[in-house]
Amino acid sequence: EADIYQTPRYLVIGTGKKITLECSQTMGHDKMYWYQQDPGMELHLIHYSYGVNSTEKGDLSSESTVSRIRTEHFPLTLESARPSHTSQYLCASSESQGGTGELFFGEGSRLTVL
Amino acid sequence: AQSVTQPDIHITVSEGASLELRCNYSYGATPYLFWYVQSPGQGLQLLLKYFSGDTLVQGIKGFEAEFKRSQSSFNLRKPSVHWSDAAEYFCTISNFGNEKLTFGTGTRLTIIP
Repeated sequence: EADIYQTPRYLVIGTGKKITLECSQTMGHDKMYWYQQDPGMELHLIHYSYGVNSTEKGDLSSESTVSRIRTEHFPLTLESARPSHTSQYLCASSESQGGTGELFFGEGSRLTVL
Repeated sequence: AQSVTQPDIHITVSEGASLELRCNYSYGATPYLFWYVQSPGQGLQLLLKYFSGDTLVQGIKGFEAEFKRSQSSFNLRKPSVHWSDAAEYFCTISNFGNEKLTFGTGTRLTIIP
């Protein structure tokens, strides 16, 4: 039973379109993350947030942006999608104080840019 | 910098057979170690984790893993696999307090009848 939700699950769009991938969690976690996952490749952290109004770039450079206006919501936006953005995007969250380090993942958003 | 190596990209085993998935890491100290499983079309789920103490850790779904400091390894094992174990398995590491995990490239497990 997922407590972290991503929409859309699948998205096919044309080059130049603006897209927003939604991520919401109901666990009250302060920490949230976006990972990019290509087939046969490891997950790469592209954004993270340690709380409201906190956002940081991850280890992999990304043209996407994120916002954290509410604790439960961490959307990712691409202003102008390109075929190189085709990938799967995974959102995750974790406890802050006293956490075990476990990440809770959504089911992912698979983006295809034509 | 920390890194994780999963040398086996794809493993095929028969249902009921034993399984071992290899994981080696590089880190200056003892990291926090995790195994995650990703079923087709799903997100990742934590199987087990090691922070300290007993080097043999038990996880969900009958999996276990053993931390071997001398070999910088954290191999995942299961004595008898089930068809539902077919999935992608990721070994990950993190240093203390830093939950920006470093993931291996994953091992895809196929189960044959």
